[in-house]
Amino acid sequence: DIVMTQSPDSLAVSLGERASISCKSSQSLLYNSNNKNYLAWYQQKPGQPPKLLIYWASTRESGVPDRFSGSGSGTDFTLSFSSLQAEDVAVYYCQQYLSKPSTFGQGTKLEIK
Amino acid sequence: QVQLVQSGSELKKPGASVKVSCKASGYTFSDYILNWVRQAPGQGLEWMGWINTKTANPTYAQDFTGRFVFSLDTSVSTSYLHINSLKVEDTAVYYCAREKRGGFDIWGQGTMVTVYS
Repeated sequence: DIVMTQSPDSLAVSLGERASISCKSSQSLLYNSNNKNYLAWYQQKPGQPPKLLIYWASTRESGVPDRFSGSGSGTDFTLSFSSLQAEDVAVYYCQQYLSKPSTFGQGTKLEIK
Repeated sequence: QVQLVQSGSELKKPGASVKVSCKASGYTFSDYILNWVRQAPGQGLEWMGWINTKTANPTYAQDFTGRFVFSLDTSVSTSYLHINSLKVEDTAVYYCAREKRGGFDIWGQGTMVTVYS
C-alpha cells in the first residue's frame, strides 16, 4: 500500500499570512502514460464531510477560491494558502488515488494564531 | 443538484448488524463508482472500498473484508453498507463518496454508527 505522510500535524498561522502543508508518498504518484499525478487535497471542517479542493495535484476544483493552490510531482506535494482567512480553519488531508487501496495522509490541523 | 444523502445515526449493541444507505440524485448513478470511507472519533479518513455502480461488483480494503458488505439498488440510485457482527471499535462516521476522474468530488453527509455495550 502507498503510505501518505503529511507535515506538520498542526499549524497556527495569522490571518492574511501564507501557509503551506507538505504531503509525501512512499511511491511516485506520477502516471507516465498521461503525465498526471494522482494526488488530491481535501478540507474538512468540524461536523462536515471532506470537501475536494485540489485534484491531479494542482487542479483546483470548481468553486474553490484561488488562494488555495497545489504543487509538486512524484512523491512530494504541497498545499499552499496565499492569504489565510478565518474560514480556512479546518483539517486538511492529502489522498492518493493512483492505486487501490486509496490512502489518505493523517491530516493537518490548521488554526489561526 | 448533485448530492449523496445518507441515512441517519444508528445506535447498536455489539453483535448486531446495521445497514447504512447512500442515495444519489442529480446525476446518472451508473456513471460513477461509489466509495465508502470510515472516520473513527477524532481520527483521520480510512478508505473501506468501492462498488462499481454498473456491475455491482464490490472491492474491499484489506481491513474491511468479511463483516462489511457493499450493495446497490439501482432502481432507487442507492448504495448500501452492511456491517455484521458489530464491534465497539466499529463506532465511527461512515461516508459514501462519488469518485470522478480525479478524487472524490461528492460526499454524503456521513452516518454516525455507535456501538455500545
